[in-house]
Amino acid sequence: LAKTTQPISMDSYEGQEVNITCSHNNIATNDYITWYQQFPSQGPRFIIQGYKTKVTNEVASLFIPADRKSSTLSLPRVSLSDTAVYYCLVGGYNAGNNRKLIWGLGTSLAVNP
Amino acid sequence: GAGVSQSPSNKVTEKGKDVELRCDPISGHTALYWYRQSLGQGLEFLIYFQGNSAPDKSGLPSDRFSAERTGGSVSTLTIQRTQQEDSAVYLCASSPQGGDNTEAFFGQGTRLTVV
Repeated sequence: LAKTTQPISMDSYEGQEVNITCSHNNIATNDYITWYQQFPSQGPRFIIQGYKTKVTNEVASLFIPADRKSSTLSLPRVSLSDTAVYYCLVGGYNAGNNRKLIWGLGTSLAVNP
Repeated sequence: GAGVSQSPSNKVTEKGKDVELRCDPISGHTALYWYRQSLGQGLEFLIYFQGNSAPDKSGLPSDRFSAERTGGSVSTLTIQRTQQEDSAVYLCASSPQGGDNTEAFFGQGTRLTVV
């Protein structure tokens, strides 16, 4: 199972763009890259998922280089409400063999006024 | 309901007692996960249900932990003879299909405190 490495914490200010990079050197061919956000006392919430190149939705962008050994979550113009822990996960569908995602410590993002 | 519902939201129990935690997944979701999260830590996988297949119990930390899912819907996680190290937030998630490359919807969790 692929493991991920991401910074333990990051600080930013309101209105700035925040980029959180995750390393996953052992990513498998059928693995997708998924990011979740977790606020205190809540369950994680899905942000974005991708396989290669770039994915964008209404809240974030995910950049994945050609070798897929890393990925970068980009949050445009963060606000105080983006203060949370962000988890990077890799995993994929493997027919007949249910796989479980490995959750690391995540990146604790603090957005300051 | 609109989301994954867990009950109770908080549970304080005495060491040695049994506890049951309940999860109501989103209607129609075939996959259901249980996780445990200790303070300041990432999620620890416990058990996974997918449709009518045998559950993946490989994450259960000891034989004091068990879970069932009745009728492919509601799930109950049971911890027997609770220990202080069982104190954690227990999270349930469901997803529309079994692959890990699908979005999982999490409940608010049950905060278990063993005293």
